[in-house]
Amino acid sequence: AQKVTQAQTEISVVEKEDVTLDCVYETRDTTYYLFWYKQPPSGELVFLIRRNSFDEQNEISGRYSWNFQKSTSSFNFTITASQVVDSAVYFCALTSGTYKYIFGTGTRLKVLA
Amino acid sequence: GAVVSQHPSRVICKSGTSVKIECRSLDFQATTMFWYRQFPKKSLMLMATSNEGSKATYEQGVEKDKFLINHASLTLSTLTVTSAHPEDSSFYICSARGRRLANTIYFGEGSWLTVV
Repeated sequence: AQKVTQAQTEISVVEKEDVTLDCVYETRDTTYYLFWYKQPPSGELVFLIRRNSFDEQNEISGRYSWNFQKSTSSFNFTITASQVVDSAVYFCALTSGTYKYIFGTGTRLKVLA
Repeated sequence: GAVVSQHPSRVICKSGTSVKIECRSLDFQATTMFWYRQFPKKSLMLMATSNEGSKATYEQGVEKDKFLINHASLTLSTLTVTSAHPEDSSFYICSARGRRLANTIYFGEGSWLTVV
């Protein structure tokens, strides 16, 4: 069975602090894809990144960076110099051949001014 | 990225009535569409998967007769909540996958349903 665990339910940080959101996954598939989505209060899911199981290179996009480690089945997300606009719920998701997305329970990030 | 649109974004209906939510892929052909439900402060739960031209596949515990899903064309899927009850109030969100989009699916904006 596939599973995604986001152990951090809620995180509060002060603006300009760095914050890391954890994601641990379980799957027996050798080919799979991991995603991070942002869900602001309005509800829509904003795609942030996709990473396939064969690409363990870390990625940086502006203030966002992702650390994919197959050895620990983790796909962590770091926001550098957080801003109030980063406040949202962040979901980690996993999919493989069926394209069904398995979502974690989400981490609510509050960035305080 | 690809665009998926949902309508209506918010709907209020009376108990016992039916309400339809549309999910459209605006700039690609969606061979597969997924419907999710999200309870307040909870994660997204997959309700069903629909492939164009065939019956939807429902996840365990989802009532097929209550949540009717139709995927009549490559750009449109609909979710009809029949005989709605207050406990059906939730955030419903669809996603779509196209032939040329590899393993990424794109989500609609979601629809807030309130049953009074």
